[in-house]
Parts: sequence; structure tokens; C-alpha cells
Amino acid sequence: EAQVTQNPRYLITVTGKKLTVTCSQNMNHEYMSWYRQDPGLGLRQIYYSMNVEVTDKGDVPEGYKVSRKEKRNFPLILESPSPNQTSLYFCASSLFPRGETQYFGPGTRLLVL
Amino acid sequence: QKEVEQNSGPLSVPEGAIASLNCTYSDRGSQSFFWYRQYSGKSPELIMFIYSNGDKEDGRFTAQLNKASQYVSLLIRDSQPSDSATYLCAVMGRDDKIIFGKGTRLHILP
Repeated sequence: EAQVTQNPRYLITVTGKKLTVTCSQNMNHEYMSWYRQDPGLGLRQIYYSMNVEVTDKGDVPEGYKVSRKEKRNFPLILESPSPNQTSLYFCASSLFPRGETQYFGPGTRLLVL
Repeated sequence: QKEVEQNSGPLSVPEGAIASLNCTYSDRGSQSFFWYRQYSGKSPELIMFIYSNGDKEDGRFTAQLNKASQYVSLLIRDSQPSDSATYLCAVMGRDDKIIFGKGTRLHILP
């Protein structure tokens, strides 16, 4: 089954404790992206990647890191999480960025205390 | 700052009527335009994409793009209660960044 998986689905952590949210897709997609969704602010792109070893900043990259060492995986790293990073995070992938269906993962709900 | 604007709603439409959702964008260089549907607590799912001026139809859904006016719309014909959701407009620029609007809540009245 074609899908985008994210782990963990729910995470409660404390300020400053490094964490990684994994994202994996099994569709051989080139384009992958991370978003955060906040009430009243909508979906905002954090980082995106056109292919292996190619990553670019989205609209809200501060406080986040990503890597794309393999085509299927695109982890999101929070080196020192802060409460303002409490949010719902989505990973997404598509074969090409333009005009192609972007498949979203199920979401990761993060609470930073 | 590139922006995508949508009316937050809620937009209430009787069952069987046409629902019309609108979106404007600020970046004239935008290349591709998407409409997503998101049910509460779920992930967004793509309904339509369009990149040429004019209309694109898929079943009950029609996307309309007017690049000169920087305007994209989604029409839903024969609205069903299952169409009740938040509709997100998204725009991709020449830099391949994707900007989402904040979404319009649509409520179909049985």
C-alpha cells in the first residue's frame, strides 16, 4: 500500500531535549516536505527536499533541521525544542512538486513543556 | 512575504446546491495551484490541481484559475454532507515552495 508514515504519532517532551520525528514513503517520490499546522495560522512549510541531499528552507525553518540521505526518508530534527514548537506536524511527498498529488502522512502531535 | 488568502468561513450551503470557495495569492510567479480537503483530525487530501488559466473539471469539482487576477476558485456541485470539511488552497512558486491559505470551513446543511 502506497503511504507516508510518521513516527511517533504523539510526543510530549520538555524544553531543550533533542527529538527526531521520522518520515518515510514507499512510493519512490522525489519531493518531500514538512509542515506544521497551528490554529489560526494554517499549514506552513518548514523544509522541503527535491531529492537526495537537496533540501531547502520553507516559510518557517527556524529551530528545525532536516536531512535527506535516502530517497525514502526525511526526518525532522528539533535540536532544542521550545514551547512555541508545540504543533501538529505533517510530512508529505510527491513524485514531482508541480501538478502532482502530494500525499500526507497521518501527522505527529507534539507538545513541548 | 508571499501570501495566500481565503475566507475562513464557515460557509454554509444547502445540500444539493453549489459551493463556491475562493482564494487569492500575491506571488505573480506562482506556477501551480492546489485544493485540498481536510476533515477534522485528519491529514489533508488533494482534490484538484491546476496550472493553466481556465477551468478544470473532475466529477463534481471544478477548479478555476485566473492568473491575471491572481485568483483561484473551487466549485462543488451537488454538495453532499460528506463535503463538510475545511478546504485549503495551496500555491507553489517558481522556487518550489508551497504556501497554504488558512482554509475555509464548509458546512453542508442537510
